[in-house]
Amino acid sequence: GQNIDQPTEMTATEGAIVQINCTYQTSGFNGLFWYQQHAGEAPTFLSYNVLDGLEEKGRFSSFLSRSKGYSYLLLKELQMKDSASYLCAVMDSNYQLIWGAGTKLIIKP
Amino acid sequence: IAGITQAPTSQILAAGRRMTLRCTQDMRHNAMYWYRQDLGLGLRLIHYSNTAGTTGKGEVPDGYSVSRANTDDFPLTLASAVPSQTSVYFCASSDSAGGTNGYTFGSGTRLTVV
Repeated sequence: GQNIDQPTEMTATEGAIVQINCTYQTSGFNGLFWYQQHAGEAPTFLSYNVLDGLEEKGRFSSFLSRSKGYSYLLLKELQMKDSASYLCAVMDSNYQLIWGAGTKLIIKP
Repeated sequence: IAGITQAPTSQILAAGRRMTLRCTQDMRHNAMYWYRQDLGLGLRLIHYSNTAGTTGKGEVPDGYSVSRANTDDFPLTLASAVPSQTSVYFCASSDSAGGTNGYTFGSGTRLTVV
């Protein structure tokens, strides 16, 4: 079966760095996406990785290792507005997104 | 403002009633999707459409139907609502099936079936 695993909840301090991990087992792989979802709102696109390595986009970076079925989202210089759920999704061989349940990130002052 | 519009924002529906959730996009995206989001679960695909005139079943299609008569509109119909269909429903679109620019989501419809 297809499976995306990510921690249910994480807590971090304002100004710090946090790494949210995602492991996956899917039928085929056509890229991995990270989305941010604030409570009561729609998910918004953060990043896309299809090749191994680190993609940096401002305070957010995303890493992929296809051989390990592993990705992480790195958030630097945390701000209170970063409190949200972070969703990992893998595009399978049918070009459909398989979604993890999301990681709720709580930022404390 | 380009994006996706969903209606209604929320609805309380009696079990057994028929309801259509509306979704309209103005980005000329080819692919559109309907998801449901339940607490503790990932987004689950109900139905999708890779291009106008075609539709496909997702992971949880039972009890739902869709149509894609044109590029912009992708309504989702619950023929006879049941309490297990209580959920938040998101419509999304992408420039193409398998597009790497990410999906754009509507603001969601919170549906309660009683």
